[in-house]
Amino acid sequence: DAKTTQPPSMDCAEGRAANLPCNHSTISGNEYVYWYRQIHSQGPQYIIHGLKNNETNEMASLIITEDRKSSTLILPHATLRDTAVYYCIVRVDASGTYKYIFGTGTRLKVLA
Amino acid sequence: GAGVSQSPRYKVAKRGQDVALRCDPISGHVSLFWYQQALGQGPEFLTYFQNEAQLDKSGLPSDRFFAERPEGSVSTLKIQRTQQEDSAVYLCASSLERYTEAFFGQGTRLTVV
Repeated sequence: DAKTTQPPSMDCAEGRAANLPCNHSTISGNEYVYWYRQIHSQGPQYIIHGLKNNETNEMASLIITEDRKSSTLILPHATLRDTAVYYCIVRVDASGTYKYIFGTGTRLKVLA
Repeated sequence: GAGVSQSPRYKVAKRGQDVALRCDPISGHVSLFWYQQALGQGPEFLTYFQNEAQLDKSGLPSDRFFAERPEGSVSTLKIQRTQQEDSAVYLCASSLERYTEAFFGQGTRLTVV
């Protein structure tokens, strides 16, 4: 069962910040939020992850609300190469094993 | 190469045929996942290995699907008596340890005709 919901598509102007929202209202206390992206015909690529604190790396920032029911991925200066499908994912841990549960993704188009 | 390698990249199978999809994870990676991605959908979990142990196979859709990783490195996903609904991209991912970043291969696109 999907644990995340995302808008199906978004547009962003090149050079502007892209803010991609995700709802995960049923997330459990120990489940991490991950973001991956997938460019056509390639495998998903890791972007960032977090539990409850905001996170930043060289690719993006992740803002998680205090109640952990939603998060936002921020690409600070979108480029044409950021056009991709972005997946908000919950990592589920159970009895010595774990798995990533993907949502349906947001298709981001960066416009010149 | 340094990434996860999957072969073949494309496979066309006649309905009822058996297929075997191979995954070469990054050397030394302990965790290995298989996912199925239908057209226009997000990847769906199939199974998880930690070294040679298959710890979770809850996502395998039927007993026609079988995965193995006998020596804790290369993994094979086998589908017996393929059906049209098995048409999808099959993705393999590996990570160095539990909970570290998972690297995905490019996938094998299976088309059942």
